[in-house]
Amino acid sequence: KAGVTQTPRYLIKTRGQQVTLSCSPISGHRSVSWYQQTPGQGLQFLFEYFSETQRNKGNFPGRFSGRQFSNSRSEMNVSTLELGDSALYLCASSIDGEYNSPLHFGNGTRLTVT
Amino acid sequence: EDKVVQSPLSLVVHEGDTVTLNCSYEVTNFRSLLWYKQEKKAPTFLFMLTSSGIEKKSGRLSSILDKKELFSILNITATQTGDSAIYLCAAPNTGTASKLTFGTGTRLQVTL
Repeated sequence: KAGVTQTPRYLIKTRGQQVTLSCSPISGHRSVSWYQQTPGQGLQFLFEYFSETQRNKGNFPGRFSGRQFSNSRSEMNVSTLELGDSALYLCASSIDGEYNSPLHFGNGTRLTVT
Repeated sequence: EDKVVQSPLSLVVHEGDTVTLNCSYEVTNFRSLLWYKQEKKAPTFLFMLTSSGIEKKSGRLSSILDKKELFSILNITATQTGDSAIYLCAAPNTGTASKLTFGTGTRLQVTL
């Protein structure tokens, strides 16, 4: 079974630009979550999508948004990029996002904002 | 606020040694605790421990959960250089299973 696939692997953007990251979950998984990983803050939850609806949201500004499509694939968008947005963005999928369904992570997208 | 604390922060051992990694947690309405291994990019799922499954084993790796004392340990026996990684412990947020609170991780380096 293929794992969680994220594209692109690397991105370099300039302050003020916007960026879209993509995630394809494991086949049969309907819940997709996004995390930001930085050396200083570790892994932090951005949001979760289930059945094309945002089900949960972390403490990030509105510049961070996402969506999920009917095939469970998800995209994350960051607008008006800031230097502090440089991070590894990880997507994770689970069967249904419930407590007995562990998250499985993709390889991430490394975003560098200059 | 949920809290997960791991120790030690880093560890260097020789191949063949046995290591024990620690994770303590403070989570309202505890449901489960998860262990991940992160080598370069993706955290790879290792174990999930719950009230009904407080001990897990897979090959040289094993983990136990002590719900009374609110901690978990991850044991790796006969370590190999391929075990070098950051080991992360995480607990789901109350009411939001997909929102994991992660510890800072333990960086394990296995040398020849």
